[in-house]
Amino acid sequence: AQSVTQPDIHITVSEGASLELRCNYSYGATPYLFWYVQSPGQGLQLLLKYFSGDTLVQGIKGFEAEFKRSQSSFNLRKPSVHWSDAAEYFCAVGEAFTSGTYKYIFGTGTRLKVLA
Amino acid sequence: DTGVSQDPRHKITKRGQNVTFRCDPISEHNRLYWYRQTLGQGPEFLTYFQNEAQLEKSRLLSDRFSAERPKGSFSTLEIQRTEQGDSAMYLCASSRGGVAFFGQGTRLTVV
Repeated sequence: AQSVTQPDIHITVSEGASLELRCNYSYGATPYLFWYVQSPGQGLQLLLKYFSGDTLVQGIKGFEAEFKRSQSSFNLRKPSVHWSDAAEYFCAVGEAFTSGTYKYIFGTGTRLKVLA
Repeated sequence: DTGVSQDPRHKITKRGQNVTFRCDPISEHNRLYWYRQTLGQGPEFLTYFQNEAQLEKSRLLSDRFSAERPKGSFSTLEIQRTEQGDSAMYLCASSRGGVAFFGQGTRLTVV
């Protein structure tokens, strides 16, 4: 079965510092990869996705992620964190159904705290 | 585009009662997913609809759970004889192409 590992449960950074959230996946074929953000009590908002092509993808809110096939990783980065970035971040991989579409397998999330 | 809408946002029920949640997907999205999220965990897949057809179901979906999507529009998720272990956030998502858009979820508390 496919899986996603987010090794860091909690991360604390100071406002203005850079950020990297780690994500490793297990998938036999070329993966579809996603990062979502969830604020407390809210649903998930898509930050960015990777389907194919350029391995460095840009997303909303100044986030980017890099797909590294050799490391089975899709780490999320932001050069300068804002207090409003405090939230929980989920990495996900698309696992194909036999019907041709796919479901999302999520990691357990990384909770980001931002210090003023 | 009003996004994915879920109702209710919160539900408190007594153990043994039945509950039903509703999801209104983004219009023209033919794919609809239900997920369950417990505290400290990522969302777990429950079931998937393509139009009105329920094509995939997770082993997590016991026989107390049933989902429908009549006419390929809104969807309902019903839990019969609720148990305390059913307490969770139930998330609905819809998609047309490769990206799923999630609703804000229904938080169920079974007391």
